Amino acid sequence: DAGVIQSPRHEVTEMGQEVTLRCKPISGHNSLFWYRQTMMRGLELLIYFNNNVPIDDSGMPEDRFSAKMPNASFSTLKIQPSEPRDSAVYFCASRGQGKETQYFGPGTRLLVL
Amino acid sequence: AQSVAQPEDQVNVAEGNPLTVKCTYSVSGNPYLFWYVQYPNRGLQFLLKYITGDNLVKGSYGFEAEFNKSQTSFHLKKPSALVSDSALYFCAVRDAWSNYQLIWGAGTKLIIKP
Repeated sequence: DAGVIQSPRHEVTEMGQEVTLRCKPISGHNSLFWYRQTMMRGLELLIYFNNNVPIDDSGMPEDRFSAKMPNASFSTLKIQPSEPRDSAVYFCASRGQGKETQYFGPGTRLLVL
Repeated sequence: AQSVAQPEDQVNVAEGNPLTVKCTYSVSGNPYLFWYVQYPNRGLQFLLKYITGDNLVKGSYGFEAEFNKSQTSFHLKKPSALVSDSALYFCAVRDAWSNYQLIWGAGTKLIIKP
């Protein structure tokens, strides 16, 4: 069974460019999470979707960040415009209905120059 | 305030020796506790969880953890360490006021020396 799939695995871009990160959750899971990991701040929850609906986006840093989940098998996290301080590893995780365990994807390592 | 503490930034263990990675928590009500492992340039992998029941929880790769309510601890253990266990380990507790928010520890780097 495939785990959480993220793309791209690595992204290098210049300040001001738009960045789109993609996630495919585990089939059948109805909760999806986007996290950011940095040395300074550790793991931060950016946004939580349940049944494709954004439930909690209080962790989204600012208006430059947006996330969508158009269907149960796909989500995007977009940064526009990107800034050097957005450099981090971004993880997507999913969870089955009624379950407690979150399963993480391999992450996207983003570097904004 | 709810929190998770991993008091050691790094733990060094010789291969074959037992290992312990410490975690203490502060949360209202009954805690839901988790351990994850992160290998270099990889995502977080679920190791084990405590929700209810037996205080000793067994997980993946030979790891286990002991829930101690009086000490509010959930230490990760393995009887005999392998070099391949070297990684970053995270403890997390579910926010008592949420059914999805996890409160994460800062992580402990485990180094197993041959």
